Amino acid sequence: AQSVTQPDIHITVSEGASLELRCNYSYGATPYLFWYVQSPGQGLQLLLKYFSGDTLVQGIKGFEAEFKRSQSSFNLRKPSVHWSDAAEYFCAVANNDYKLSFGAGTTVTVRA
Amino acid sequence: GAGVSQSPSNKVTEKGKDVELRCDPISGHTALYWYRQSLGQGLEFLIYFQGNSAPDKSGLPSDRFSAERTGGSVSTLTIQRTQQEDSAVYLCASLLTRGQPQHFGDGTRLSIL
Repeated sequence: AQSVTQPDIHITVSEGASLELRCNYSYGATPYLFWYVQSPGQGLQLLLKYFSGDTLVQGIKGFEAEFKRSQSSFNLRKPSVHWSDAAEYFCAVANNDYKLSFGAGTTVTVRA
Repeated sequence: GAGVSQSPSNKVTEKGKDVELRCDPISGHTALYWYRQSLGQGLEFLIYFQGNSAPDKSGLPSDRFSAERTGGSVSTLTIQRTQQEDSAVYLCASLLTRGQPQHFGDGTRLSIL
């Protein structure tokens, strides 16, 4: 069975600083990996996805993630955080039927 | 609209009542998924429909939960004899084809009094 671990429940970062959110997955085959963002009262918005190919994936809003098979990781990064990036972030892994298993989420707070 | 539409956006009901939650997927999307987001359990898969195939119900937490998808489009998730632990946000997602990501609706926030 697949699973995802997001070790950080809450991260606080200053506006303009860099951000890295950690994600580790467990899956027996080649994983399909995703990062979603959720603002309060909203659904999930896809930031980026990895299916195959280049292990450094570019997404929307200036985010990127790197797939590292040897570490079973798919960490999300942004070089310079904006106040609007405050939200909850979910890492997910999909099986062959594209059923998603989500991590517990990381809440990002941005301070001025 | 072009996105996944869920209704109602909020539902408050009394314990023991039945509720129906609706999902209108993006037109042409053949796969449809239901997930539940609750404080204690996070985001959990509930059920998956793919075309005319039998649905994958492996995530449904009890036999009080059921779902159907009519005409390969609209889906209804039904919860019978609701319990307080059913309080959660129920999210629907649709998928066009393999290799594409799921698109999520804004969810239905269900509160059981």
